Amino acid sequence: DAKTTQPTSMDCAEGRAANLPCNHSTISGNEYVYWYRQIHSQGPQYIIHGLKNNETNEMASLIITEDRKSSTLILPHATLRDTAVYYCIVRAGDYGGSQGNLIFGKGTKLSVKP
Amino acid sequence: SAVISQKPSRDICQRGTSLTIQCQVDSQVTMMFWYRQQPGQSLTLIATANQGSEATYESGFVIDKFPISRPNLTFSTLTVSNMSPEDSSIYLCSVPDREAYGYTFGSGTRLTVV
Repeated sequence: DAKTTQPTSMDCAEGRAANLPCNHSTISGNEYVYWYRQIHSQGPQYIIHGLKNNETNEMASLIITEDRKSSTLILPHATLRDTAVYYCIVRAGDYGGSQGNLIFGKGTKLSVKP
Repeated sequence: SAVISQKPSRDICQRGTSLTIQCQVDSQVTMMFWYRQQPGQSLTLIATANQGSEATYESGFVIDKFPISRPNLTFSTLTVSNMSPEDSSIYLCSVPDREAYGYTFGSGTRLTVV
């Protein structure tokens, strides 16, 4: 079973920041938080990941609480093309053995509206 | 990021027949993963394919139904055997990204069984 809990759906106005929450209260010390998104009819796309520090890249920012039990993905200026299902996933950082795959939950369906 | 070519992109098949899906990666990777995404659902891992060894199947998936080949470090196939309408899904392959801890996904194969 997925180790994360996300809202089923969210709406966001175009040009505004989209803040997508994720709860991962059972996260282990060696597990990273990953975010992926899946635009309709495409394969999932990696967005960002982090261990305990906040992270930012050209796509998004990831804010992880100090106790690491929850995080928020921030899309600073959402566009219509950001409409997708966003998945929050926790897993160990290395690829070996049974830890080498991703376990997807149901994700959050983000709808960006004009 | 790794680049994956997945074929076919879609197919409509008769029940009782088999379909082989191919994934070609532009770099050598040790592990490849095969996922299924049923209509309106999240992704479920089918199996992990390592070059030079038998694939490792997740609970609920068996080799007779989903045989996998991994002849080299850049290529893998997944066969969906003796298909029924319940096998109608999107099938995706995935590999670890060589530059980061993310994963790259193929564009998926949309299978419809009639």
